[in-house]
Amino acid sequence: QKEVEQDPGPLSVPEGAIVSLNCTYSNSAFQYFMWYRQYSRKGPELLMYTYSSGNKEDGRFTAQVDKSSKYISLFIRDSQPSDSATYLCAMTRAGGFKTIFGAGTRLFVKA
Amino acid sequence: GAGVSQSPRYKVAKRGQDVALRCDPISGHVSLFWYQQALGQGPEFLTYFQNEAQLDKSGLPSDRFFAERPEGSVSTLKIQRTQQEDSAVYLCASSLPREDEQYFGPGTRLTVT
Repeated sequence: QKEVEQDPGPLSVPEGAIVSLNCTYSNSAFQYFMWYRQYSRKGPELLMYTYSSGNKEDGRFTAQVDKSSKYISLFIRDSQPSDSATYLCAMTRAGGFKTIFGAGTRLFVKA
Repeated sequence: GAGVSQSPRYKVAKRGQDVALRCDPISGHVSLFWYQQALGQGPEFLTYFQNEAQLDKSGLPSDRFFAERPEGSVSTLKIQRTQQEDSAVYLCASSLPREDEQYFGPGTRLTVT
């Protein structure tokens, strides 16, 4: 079993929809949680970074962490065709530098 | 300013050849990471440098893989006697010390035929 599980999709939604992306993890040592966006043939770029359980909002993006359930989510409001990409969850241990990524969810937002 | 650059962007190697992949991190970034990303998968950690010191190489899949960063800036990932299973995108990322945001390069797509 992988340390981080993420549904690869693909997920297809109409423009303007709310998108929910999720990951589960098995190791309670993970303390830092990130969401990256990766366009085709590009490197990942950091979207959101959280440490504690709870919600963090940045524009149309909200990251949610539930450490008790070992479950993290990314919500995208008012989705746009330009949001079409692969979304990767990632996490690291406290004091660590080895980042573990999920497999990524491919998202398609249809105009 | 300039981001992380990698070269070559694409590399085709015959099985058994040696390859060298280069990473130029963002100036001033002391931390440097290498990842391997197979098709349809997330990046998998290979190795980590802090300046010229290789602090973790636990992700290198075999002793055919070797990474160096002799002067604490540019890094090279070398793969000896390439095998078909080495075909993947190799990503490099850099970050400031004690900062968790990693800045990724565009990757080198390696195809072993």
